[in-house]
Amino acid sequence: DAGVTQSPTHLIKTRGQQVTLRCSPKSGHDTVSWYQQALGQGPQFIFQYYEEEERQRGNFPDRFSGHQFPNYSSELNVNALLLGDSALYLCASSPGTGGVTGELFFGEGSRLTVL
Amino acid sequence: GDSVTQMEGPVTLSEEAFLTINCTYTATGYPSLFWYVQYPGEGLQLLLKATKADDKGSNKGFEATYRKETTSFHLEKGSVQVSDSAVYFCALSGASYKIIFGKGTRLHILP
Repeated sequence: DAGVTQSPTHLIKTRGQQVTLRCSPKSGHDTVSWYQQALGQGPQFIFQYYEEEERQRGNFPDRFSGHQFPNYSSELNVNALLLGDSALYLCASSPGTGGVTGELFFGEGSRLTVL
Repeated sequence: GDSVTQMEGPVTLSEEAFLTINCTYTATGYPSLFWYVQYPGEGLQLLLKATKADDKGSNKGFEATYRKETTSFHLEKGSVQVSDSAVYFCALSGASYKIIFGKGTRLHILP
C-alpha cells in the first residue's frame, strides 16, 4: 500500500518564477492538506482540499493556489516566487474528516529553493 | 488564535535516560492534542494523540497526558534509545480542519 507520494523531491527556481508541486494521497484517502515547513520551524497550514474544493485556507497570499483532481491527487502552485518561499512543502492526506481527528499521513516533501 | 509552544532544542541525552519534552498550548474550546515525529529522511508521522482532558496517549514507550488545568501535553519516555533520535512536534487541532504545529524539538540520543 503506497503512502503519500510527492514530486519533485527537490527543485531550484529563481525569483519571479512559478512552481507546481504534486501529491498523490494514501490509498483510500480523499482529503489533501498542504503545509509549508521553513528550516527549523514547524509546518504551517496552507490549505486543504476535499471533494475538489478548497475547504479551508491558512494565512498565505493568493500567490499560493491549489487544485484537487477527481482521483484525489492534488497540486500546489506558487506564482511570483520570493526568496522567502524557500521551504519544504509537505502534503498530507486523511479521510474525509480532515484534520479533525489529527491523523494526517505525510509525504516526505518537496524541497523548494528560490534563488 | 490557537498556538503551541514547545521546548527549544536540541536535546541531547544518553541511551536509557529519561526524556521529557515540554509542550503547552493556547486554544479556544477543547482541542485535540498530538505528538508527531520526523525521523531522518522520513515524512512526519503521528506518534500519539489525546482528544479530551485527562486522556493519556501512548505509543512506542512514549506517553503524554492532556492536562487542561495547565494547558500542557508533555511528552515522556522512561528509557530512550538511539533509534528515538528525531524531531518531535507538538500539535493541536481545534474547531477547524487545520493542525497547528509547534516549532519542533530535535532529540539526539548518544549510545
